[in-house]
Amino acid sequence: DTGVSQNPRHKITKRGQNVTFRCDPISEHNRLYWYRQTLGQGPEFLTYFQNEAQLEKSRLLSDRFSAERPKGSFSTLEIQRTEQGDSAMYLCASSFMTGWYTDTQYFGPGTRLTVL
Amino acid sequence: TQLLEQSPQFLSIQEGENLTVYCNSSSVFSSLQWYRQEPGEGPVLLVTVVTGGEVKKLKRLTFQFGDARKDSSLHITAAQTGDTGLYLCAGNNPRDNYGQNFVFGPGTRLSVLP
Repeated sequence: DTGVSQNPRHKITKRGQNVTFRCDPISEHNRLYWYRQTLGQGPEFLTYFQNEAQLEKSRLLSDRFSAERPKGSFSTLEIQRTEQGDSAMYLCASSFMTGWYTDTQYFGPGTRLTVL
Repeated sequence: TQLLEQSPQFLSIQEGENLTVYCNSSSVFSSLQWYRQEPGEGPVLLVTVVTGGEVKKLKRLTFQFGDARKDSSLHITAAQTGDTGLYLCAGNNPRDNYGQNFVFGPGTRLSVLP
């Protein structure tokens, strides 16, 4: 299977702990996106990378959140000092950009975070 | 800020019925995607529409992109229980050479009852 993969699928943590999620995109895709989705809502954009460069961050991405894509392949999303409001599904997507027009995004299965 | 609205928010129908769900915006999008999402899973792409007025068919699903590329509809013929899920639309609009993101609607939650 060459789709987008995310690990772990589920994470339960206590408030104040740090957590890190990993996303492996489709291998030939140069763009990687992170989204957050809460119950009953559509995904909300957090940040995206083109190759290893982080090109845009949403205002939703507070100082406690950091994302990296060190070699332009997999990406990690870290949340420091987790809060109960961080509980959500964290989705990763990838796409291949050609020129100014971005191809369609393909999503991973998500990581469900529960902060107790 | 670009916003996408979807209607209805919830829809419950009997198997075999037809339905249409809508995705609307005041913004113009260069493309629009429809996804279906099941509980605990990521969205799965159904279709991408690009050209104003475009109609695409995927078995019993018919997708239409509005002439002005501000809205879209999804029509399902003879719904089946397997069509149950959250239907999301997402608009893509490049802002410049280096920055763009997808805007998602809140989704229509469809339940098809046997």
